[in-house]
Amino acid sequence: DAKTTQPPSMDCAEGRAANLPCNHSTISGNEYVYWYRQIHSQGPQYIIHGLKNNETNEMASLIITEDRKSSTLILPHATLRDTAVYYCIPSGAGSYQLTFGKGTKLSVIP
Amino acid sequence: DVKVTQSSRYLVKRTGEKVFLECVQDMDHENMFWYRQDPGLGLRLIYFSYDVKMKEKGDIPEGYSVSREKKERFSLILESASTNQTSMYLCASSPGQATREAFFGQGTRLTVV
Repeated sequence: DAKTTQPPSMDCAEGRAANLPCNHSTISGNEYVYWYRQIHSQGPQYIIHGLKNNETNEMASLIITEDRKSSTLILPHATLRDTAVYYCIPSGAGSYQLTFGKGTKLSVIP
Repeated sequence: DVKVTQSSRYLVKRTGEKVFLECVQDMDHENMFWYRQDPGLGLRLIYFSYDVKMKEKGDIPEGYSVSREKKERFSLILESASTNQTSMYLCASSPGQATREAFFGQGTRLTVV
């Protein structure tokens, strides 16, 4: 699986959009990009995933660059409950496991 | 909603005890996983199972074993608990082979004294 680079921490004002970047320059052609988050004292929660097209669901949007070397998770209107560690995880079809890195600790500020 | 239920939220055991951590999922998922999470080390995969009675080692299987006799239940066994197995243990399940949309339980915080 590809290695990832995420900023260790970010702040976002409540109600504003939170844009969380991830660099995955070694991603291979069959690897999807998955995003999870982990709120304190809870298990990780799946957010969204994509291959090369931008994706949107009720939680977030995922923007993947055309060369697929990086992606951005967008929380359009961050709330205090979005304070969590966010993980970007490339994962190929042949692998069962998710490899969690250190992620980005997002703090939403009132 | 998919539910992954771990039998205990907190557990305290003595060194040398045999410890069973139980996990049950209610969505007929093929795959089940056991992770442990430690500060500074993140989540690490211990074992996973892609079918009943099938198991595969993850990154850190030493000191652990697993059992999957029924599709909905995946047990993690510490044959002889040691203090370095004090950790948060997380169970997860996912459907099929092509998806990594995993659903996690709330975790079991195990302390070995």
